[in-house]
Amino acid sequence: DAMVIQNPRYQVTQFGKPVTLSCSQTLNHNVMYWYQQKSSQAPKLLFHYYDKDFNNEADTPDNFQSRRPNTSFCFLDIRSPGLGDAAMYLCATSLSIGTGSYEQYFGPGTRLTVT
Amino acid sequence: KQEVTQIPAALSVPEGENLVLNCSFTDSAIYNLQWFRQDPGKGLTSLLLIQSSQREQTSGRLNASLDKSSGRSTLYIAASQPGDSATYLCAVVNYGGSQGNLIFGKGTKLSVKP
Repeated sequence: DAMVIQNPRYQVTQFGKPVTLSCSQTLNHNVMYWYQQKSSQAPKLLFHYYDKDFNNEADTPDNFQSRRPNTSFCFLDIRSPGLGDAAMYLCATSLSIGTGSYEQYFGPGTRLTVT
Repeated sequence: KQEVTQIPAALSVPEGENLVLNCSFTDSAIYNLQWFRQDPGKGLTSLLLIQSSQREQTSGRLNASLDKSSGRSTLYIAASQPGDSATYLCAVVNYGGSQGNLIFGKGTKLSVKP
């Protein structure tokens, strides 16, 4: 089945220790997104890739970076995690504007704990 | 700035009841609206997508309506079951906004009692 996969499902890191979260997709979608969802809050877009073009949201902290080496994979790097970065990180994909759909498909998420 | 509000924040109903979840948005210039389900500690499952030109979409026991002019959408769940217990999120994509950026409400936490 075509899907969005996130690894790991649970990640524990220490304060200030860099961490990388992974997302892969078999849907062959050209747009990939990273959202942050804190407890009892709405998901918030951090950035997205339209093909290879990186688009950062204006209020995304510099501490968050992303890489997309190919269509299938996208990584979220947190350079120096703080306690406030503990959250669920959600990866999503969609087809481009040309299809007119914009329907987004989400992975199961990675729960990040910062100690 | 687009804001999405969902009322109520939590809802508890007995099994078998029909129910309506509400979603409102402040800017009617949307591309589409999407309803999601989220189980505790899990990712989002897409339930229904309504394009801006559409008025409603149906899938099984679910029916979602969209009234762009009034900035409202409803999700109707027929004959609710305990397995429907989850948080339901609605989200919109704005015209002219960041490519496909979903703007979410905080969700309605639904509990269906056996």
